[in-house]
Amino acid sequence: GESVGLHLPTLSVQEGDNSIINCAYSNSASDYFIWYKQESGKGPQFIIDIRSNMDKRQGQRVTVLLNKTVKHLSLQIAATQPGDSAVYFCAENSSGYSTLTFGKGTMLLVSP
Amino acid sequence: DGGITQSPKYLFRKEGQNVTLSCEQNLNHDAMYWYRQDPGQGLRLIYYSQIVNDFQKGDIAEGYSVSREKKESFPLTVTSAQKNPTAFYLCASRADKRPINEKLFFGSGTQLSVL
Repeated sequence: GESVGLHLPTLSVQEGDNSIINCAYSNSASDYFIWYKQESGKGPQFIIDIRSNMDKRQGQRVTVLLNKTVKHLSLQIAATQPGDSAVYFCAENSSGYSTLTFGKGTMLLVSP
Repeated sequence: DGGITQSPKYLFRKEGQNVTLSCEQNLNHDAMYWYRQDPGQGLRLIYYSQIVNDFQKGDIAEGYSVSREKKESFPLTVTSAQKNPTAFYLCASRADKRPINEKLFFGSGTQLSVL
């Protein structure tokens, strides 16, 4: 079936490094993608989204890249801080569908 | 939490008991969702509703029930038929502007445990 998944379950980085979290999707009809951050015991927080008519979108310290050819999505976090430690989920949606499909998540651990 | 309130934060269920989780939103969103999250896992869809008085089953609806009598409220009942209810439950909502996709806003979650 269609699915969204992540390559790396855990990513450990040093404070100040740049972090890259990857996500693969298999539904070629997906046209909307979102990244969420979830801290322990809390609900997911929206980070950034991108539509399929774009390859790149930048926010504050974050960049999302979309490669539709290989169905790959990535989240780049610049100058990673300890407060960035959390689980990061990607999710995808197809136009006309009412529900998002979530990946399993990647744990980002930032060491001081 | 983006205007979505879940209560209680922690809930305990006894054997054979039904419990209800509350979800209220003041974002004027049409669509509301319930997800279940097990430790170290992603989010699995239980039920969703796109309009008042209508709802659809998600991937893991068995043992759960919902109602949507008001636009701002979407309570989830975990029935005694759900044999493994211990999990973190997340409610979410979004504006329904199909075919344009919009992001979900999540509540802060309810941790349900079995006594």
